[in-house]
Amino acid sequence: KNEVEQSPQNLTAQEGEFITINCSYSVGISALHWLQQHPGGGIVSLFMLSSGKKKHGRLIATINIQEKHSSLHITASHPRDSAVYICAGAGSYQLTFGKGTKLSVIP
Amino acid sequence: KAGVTQTPRYLIKTRGQQVTLSCSPISGHRSVSWYQQTPGQGLQFLFEYFSETQRNKGNFPGRFSGRQFSNSRSEMNVSTLELGDSALYLCASSLETSGVYNEQFFGPGTRLTVL
Repeated sequence: KNEVEQSPQNLTAQEGEFITINCSYSVGISALHWLQQHPGGGIVSLFMLSSGKKKHGRLIATINIQEKHSSLHITASHPRDSAVYICAGAGSYQLTFGKGTKLSVIP
Repeated sequence: KAGVTQTPRYLIKTRGQQVTLSCSPISGHRSVSWYQQTPGQGLQFLFEYFSETQRNKGNFPGRFSGRQFSNSRSEMNVSTLELGDSALYLCASSLETSGVYNEQFFGPGTRLTVL
């Protein structure tokens, strides 16, 4: 059974801080998605990783296949980054989701 | 290009009824996945379809079923509704044949309330 563990569950940061959200996953998962969900429910895909590192604007995602660990970093955080961030592992043609990290960035 | 559309957006049903939800993927996308989101369980995988074939089903009872049509549109059906089926139902489409192993484009969801 595929499993995904995400931490922390809640995170409060001051505007401008560097933020890290972590995700560990089990054997059987070969790709890792990072998703963003704003209040109201809409989900946006941020990254899909199977190796290495990806960067988009102030967001950086890394994955370590040997350690089965991925991180999402947000540099120079802004109140508009406030959302729930979810990691999801792809294996056996299904996604297994972490519980999500609720991020609040205070001005 | 239009995004993933889901209809209806909101639905209220009573226990014992059945419901059909529809998902139209982005034009050209042939992989469609369905997910259930509840406050208690978070996001859970329901089904994944590619070219009208169900490639996997999540750990849900047989009351939950789905299908995909030749134009890649997909429907899911829940029969004999229970209070616990109240949730946000999301579908996502993907361009590549490898489905969930590629970027997922999510629809806005259908919020189902069972009374």
